[in-house]
Amino acid sequence: DQQVKQNSPSLSVQEGRISILNCDYTNSMFDYFLWYKKYPAEGPTFLISISSIKDKNEDGRFTVFLNKSAKHLSLHIVPSQPGDSAVYFCAASEDNQGGKLIFGQGTELSVKP
Amino acid sequence: ETGVTQTPRHLVMGMTNKKSLKCEQHLGHNAMYWYKQSAKKPLELMFVYNFKEQTENNSVPSRFSPECPNSSHLFLHLHTLQPEDSALYLCASSQGGGGYYGYTFGSGTRLTVV
Repeated sequence: DQQVKQNSPSLSVQEGRISILNCDYTNSMFDYFLWYKKYPAEGPTFLISISSIKDKNEDGRFTVFLNKSAKHLSLHIVPSQPGDSAVYFCAASEDNQGGKLIFGQGTELSVKP
Repeated sequence: ETGVTQTPRHLVMGMTNKKSLKCEQHLGHNAMYWYKQSAKKPLELMFVYNFKEQTENNSVPSRFSPECPNSSHLFLHLHTLQPEDSALYLCASSQGGGGYYGYTFGSGTRLTVV
């Protein structure tokens, strides 16, 4: 049973527009939600996170929204840039002391000039 | 060096070979992890070590044998692998369980079993 799901394997956006990446989860015990970005031949790099007590967290062009009742989170990138082209993984964990990160399948974002 | 370093970056091995993957972290973290990434699949957690003690084995076949001699080093010993074990193997570290700040990943070892 996959606890974290990214149902869109790919997304294509024009430079300067908004990119919206979505993620759904099934485990209501998750306390933290994170987004990672991965370029080919590199490991994932941490992008932004949100705790379950908040519904929004913003860092520059990146904003994560959390809807706990729908068990859904999304990552907004505004404005999108060609350098944002990568695979984006959402991940979730139950607590800060012993919880392990559970990852989604990833969404490949392509930002076209 | 800083961050999490994995060696080698690429490895091709036969099914009867024995090889080892190495991971080293320079972040002072107390937890280390092995993940496997196959094409079009989520990252799969394999092993978790906290303060060099294994705390999780996610039903990984015994042909994968981890070793954590101290909190900064993690190895994955490989023997009699199958072609379906070909994947990107990622090492990560964290302070505590990661939580809000997540894990720091290495660049991975691309393993091909022939």
